[in-house]
Amino acid sequence: QVQLQESGPGLVKPSGTLSLTCAVSGVSITSSNWWSWVRQPPGKGLEWIAEIYHYGTTNYNPSLKSRVSISLDKSKNQFSLRLGSVTAADTAVYYCARRTSSVGWFDPWGQGTLVTVSS
Amino acid sequence: QSALTQPASVSGSPGQSITISCTGTSSDVGNYNLVSWYQQYPGKAPKVMIYEVTKRPSGVSNRFSGSKSGNTASLTISGLQAEDEANYFCCSYAAGNTLFGGGTKLTVL
Repeated sequence: QVQLQESGPGLVKPSGTLSLTCAVSGVSITSSNWWSWVRQPPGKGLEWIAEIYHYGTTNYNPSLKSRVSISLDKSKNQFSLRLGSVTAADTAVYYCARRTSSVGWFDPWGQGTLVTVSS
Repeated sequence: QSALTQPASVSGSPGQSITISCTGTSSDVGNYNLVSWYQQYPGKAPKVMIYEVTKRPSGVSNRFSGSKSGNTASLTISGLQAEDEANYFCCSYAAGNTLFGGGTKLTVL
């Protein structure tokens, strides 16, 4: 059974960098899957952020591309997200999720972690 | 690219059927059979209910079905049950991007 678990600071200062990690269990991160990040501002809809394939190929939401990076840590079977120059608008629950292709559906999802941007 | 458009809320009585629409453009919903639907309970992670417009993952009730016409995809839930009360989001591939709808709150009366 594939499981994902997000971790990282729950509070980030404005203009700082948000860093999150997603630990994957039940499957190797080097398998033929795309590993994604999706966020949800409080009371709002979902927004896809980025994804990475085990070869290192990445795709980014064009609206966030200038501030986002995603990476793999094969030794720890996890992947990470970095979002720079954050503002209050980046306050959201951040989810990691698996896709079997870069155009496919998301399944499963992690439980999500709330990140608040505030001084 | 803008988010996909969903009604903010729908409601129905137990046993009835409801349909949630998801309107995009010819660059996303209308151009790819890559629409998926997610159910989300408050404070919980989303769960896929429909993928590739009409396909249902193993374990999802056959009361859930999906369809598409032009730039609009739809999720139909038949035989409404109290446990179906949740938020539902649509999602579509969009040429190098992935778009979600704003979500629809389903209330079972």
